[in-house]
Amino acid sequence: DIQMTQSPSSLSASVGDRVTITCRASQGIRNDLGWYQQKPGKAPKRLISAASSLQGGVPSRFSGSGSGTDFTLTISSLQPEDFATYYCLQNNSYPRTFGQGTKVEIK
Amino acid sequence: QVQLVQSGSELKKPGASVKVSCKASEYTFASYDMTWVRQAPGQGLEWMGWINTKTGHPTYAQGFTGRFVFSWDTSVSTAYLQISSLKAEDTAVYYCFVRSLDHWGQGTLVTVSS
Repeated sequence: DIQMTQSPSSLSASVGDRVTITCRASQGIRNDLGWYQQKPGKAPKRLISAASSLQGGVPSRFSGSGSGTDFTLTISSLQPEDFATYYCLQNNSYPRTFGQGTKVEIK
Repeated sequence: QVQLVQSGSELKKPGASVKVSCKASEYTFASYDMTWVRQAPGQGLEWMGWINTKTGHPTYAQGFTGRFVFSWDTSVSTAYLQISSLKAEDTAVYYCFVRSLDHWGQGTLVTVSS
């Protein structure tokens, strides 16, 4: 199985900060990775597919990069509505696997 | 608008069974596989497996074999997750989701408590 190691597990940041979250795959997964945002009590919402393709309606302050084993989600200027937990999900091979999550909290 | 509507919360005793439903609408049900995801209280997302909605063939992740069964009924565009011999550690929110369409159900809370 492919393991997805996500870091950090949590971070505190202020509105306007640039935030970076990383996911590392235990083996190469090309660009078969998505990033999801989850707010308390809600289903996850996909922000990015294929490592760097922004989903429709997602603000351009979100961006994704990477290929192979190392991936990054960047929020260029953190907004109040971005405080949430973020997960990566590899869809290269079965079983699919999520990263452990990164909780973004208000500093 | 694509919708996945799940059945309501369940409170079950240890050893009982539960069946969660996920009704799809506004797309061709058999064209997209259905995935199930578990989220224990305060924990992350776990990929449980998926069902091929054309053939009904299920695939389970490790840790979700034996007591977990995925099924489907194409006549009512509904996927099901059945969990038998429930344990306290099965307490979680269970989500159905169609990755290709990026749509999730609202989640079903299953609580196992005596």
